[in-house]
Amino acid sequence: AQRVTQPEKLLSVFKGAPVELKCNYSYSGSPELFWYVQYSRQRLQLLLRHISRESIKGFTADLNKGETSFHLKKPFAQEEDSAMYYCALKRRNTPLVFGKGTRLSVIA
Amino acid sequence: DTGVSQNPRHKITKRGQNVTFRCDPISEHNRLYWYRQTLGQGPEFLTYFQNEAQLEKSRLLSDRFSAERPKGSFSTLEIQRTEQGDSAMYLCASSLSIMASGLSTDTQYFGPGTRLTVL
Repeated sequence: AQRVTQPEKLLSVFKGAPVELKCNYSYSGSPELFWYVQYSRQRLQLLLRHISRESIKGFTADLNKGETSFHLKKPFAQEEDSAMYYCALKRRNTPLVFGKGTRLSVIA
Repeated sequence: DTGVSQNPRHKITKRGQNVTFRCDPISEHNRLYWYRQTLGQGPEFLTYFQNEAQLEKSRLLSDRFSAERPKGSFSTLEIQRTEQGDSAMYLCASSLSIMASGLSTDTQYFGPGTRLTVL
């Protein structure tokens, strides 16, 4: 069965500090991995996906198949990064499987 | 607004009543998904459509739940004989599934959700 684990419910960092939101998955095949973000009073929105290999709002995530991880990183946190972050996995033509989410709080 | 829309945004009902939610996807999207989200959890898949065909249903979707997408555009999710455990945020998402070089690309865009409270 596919499973996504986000071990931290809450992560607090100071502005300007590096951020790493952890995501581990269990799936034997080749999944697609995503990070979704939900800012206060806004809808869930895609932040980035591993196949795009892009950096969005300074965030990057690398798929590590050996460690089955897809951690989200940013070198310098900003206050506007405070939000709920969800890691999600899908196989081809299947729905998304989400983790429980990590709330990031960036302290000024 | 050309994003996914959902109505109503909030619904309060008494146990045992039926409720129906509507989702209007992004107009050119051929796939439509329903998810449920409870406090402290990520969204959990309920069902999805490709055009008007319902392709997959989760085990979470009991017999009291039914979803339709009659013309391949908007979708409705009905819950009959609501129970307090049905209280949750119901999310709709849509995507355009296209095949390129043998790979399916399927980015899902979410609506604002309908928050259901069953008293």
